Amino acid sequence: GQQVMQIPQYQHVQEGEDFTTYCNSSTTLSNIQWYKQRPGGHPVFLIQLVKSGEVKKQKRLTFQFGEAKKNSSLHITATQTTDVGTYFCAGSYTGTASKLTFGTGTRLQVTL
Amino acid sequence: GAVVSQHPSWVICKSGTSVKIECRSLDFQATTMFWYRQFPKQSLMLMATSNEGSKATYEQGVEKDKFLINHASLTLSTLTVTSAHPEDSSFYICSARVWSGGPSTDTQYFGPGTRLTVL
Repeated sequence: GQQVMQIPQYQHVQEGEDFTTYCNSSTTLSNIQWYKQRPGGHPVFLIQLVKSGEVKKQKRLTFQFGEAKKNSSLHITATQTTDVGTYFCAGSYTGTASKLTFGTGTRLQVTL
Repeated sequence: GAVVSQHPSWVICKSGTSVKIECRSLDFQATTMFWYRQFPKQSLMLMATSNEGSKATYEQGVEKDKFLINHASLTLSTLTVTSAHPEDSSFYICSARVWSGGPSTDTQYFGPGTRLTVL
């Protein structure tokens, strides 16, 4: 079956440093979504990427979808303590009726 | 818009009892809802797809007789954990699908989750 891996599993940065998490699928994706989950909370939708090579920005967050539609990345510029949480990518595959396969997640810790 | 609620937000029950969890789309209709389970420090695992008016589709390894899903209306899906055991303790999260055609408009909105503890 489809697998979605993320690296790193965990990253600890100082406030102001940049952060990147990478997401890789074993097979080609139809689209990819990114979610943020705060400790004790539920996943909150951040963005969806559909097109090959697509790049989208949300303030300090930059999302990329690979040309082959098998990988994606999320980059945060100048992290803040409010960025703390676990970031999940979730892929959808053609013919699976929008079912999402969640990545393993990257937990981000930001300290002053 | 696109708010999904879950009830209860947490529940503690004795081993052997059944627990029902409700998932509601508050301001939209959802023909498809999904149920996920998340163990501590792990990712979300899809359990089943709930379709209004038809039987749920379960993922491999998920016991359909243990996790009963009913999607009786366009705004409500329920998950009943029957004969719960301590290993069923987990965070159960539902999502509702919003889609108006085309891959770029296919989105899931997640409920706040239900934390189940089985003693």
